[in-house]
Amino acid sequence: SQQGEEDPQALSIQEGENATMNCSYKTSINNLQWYRQNSGRGLVHLILIRSNEREKHSGRLRVTLDTSKKSSSLLITASRAADTASYFCATVLDTGRRALTFGSGTRLQVQP
Amino acid sequence: GAGVSQSPSNKVTEKGKDVELRCDPISGHTALYWYRQSLGQGLEFLIYFQGNSAPDKSGLPSDRFSAERTGGSVSTLTIQRTQQEDSAVYLCASSLLAYDTQYFGPGTRLTVL
Repeated sequence: SQQGEEDPQALSIQEGENATMNCSYKTSINNLQWYRQNSGRGLVHLILIRSNEREKHSGRLRVTLDTSKKSSSLLITASRAADTASYFCATVLDTGRRALTFGSGTRLQVQP
Repeated sequence: GAGVSQSPSNKVTEKGKDVELRCDPISGHTALYWYRQSLGQGLEFLIYFQGNSAPDKSGLPSDRFSAERTGGSVSTLTIQRTQQEDSAVYLCASSLLAYDTQYFGPGTRLTVL
């Protein structure tokens, strides 16, 4: 099964509202990364948060990590129509495989 | 270019034929990864190269799949005797070191008829 599971699977909001997506995982991680994907092609890296970090910001993006709950959230503030995309969390394990294990993604629709 | 590049962008082949997909990572990146994305399976890991170490092949779905990385740079993913279930977008990524941010290429969309 997927290491990361995302919630909700789909989210529809109005432009200007905030969007929150959650990700849960099962095993100890080295880091967690969030990606955006438009039209089923290239993945754009958003933020990497390491296991010893609790919160990171990048522009309108805020990511939190709670290793005790094995969960992360991505907050997009003041959303825009251009934020419409699929968002994936992906984890890199602390030991063993160093490739990303992806969640199933959240499909965000921002209505203008 | 500064990013990861992949070729071809699209490939249509007949069942039973072999295909080769190419990835040019970001210059200087020691780690290179192959993933694929299909409707039924989501995004899944295939193979990982790190420097001169033996590759991690644990994600390859069958022995029809193989990959090599020449000179620590360009990588080729080969699928032999393609099957319809191999149809997917094949994504390559690279990172400076292990545990770093992975940067993805635009992908190759493979369609097996």
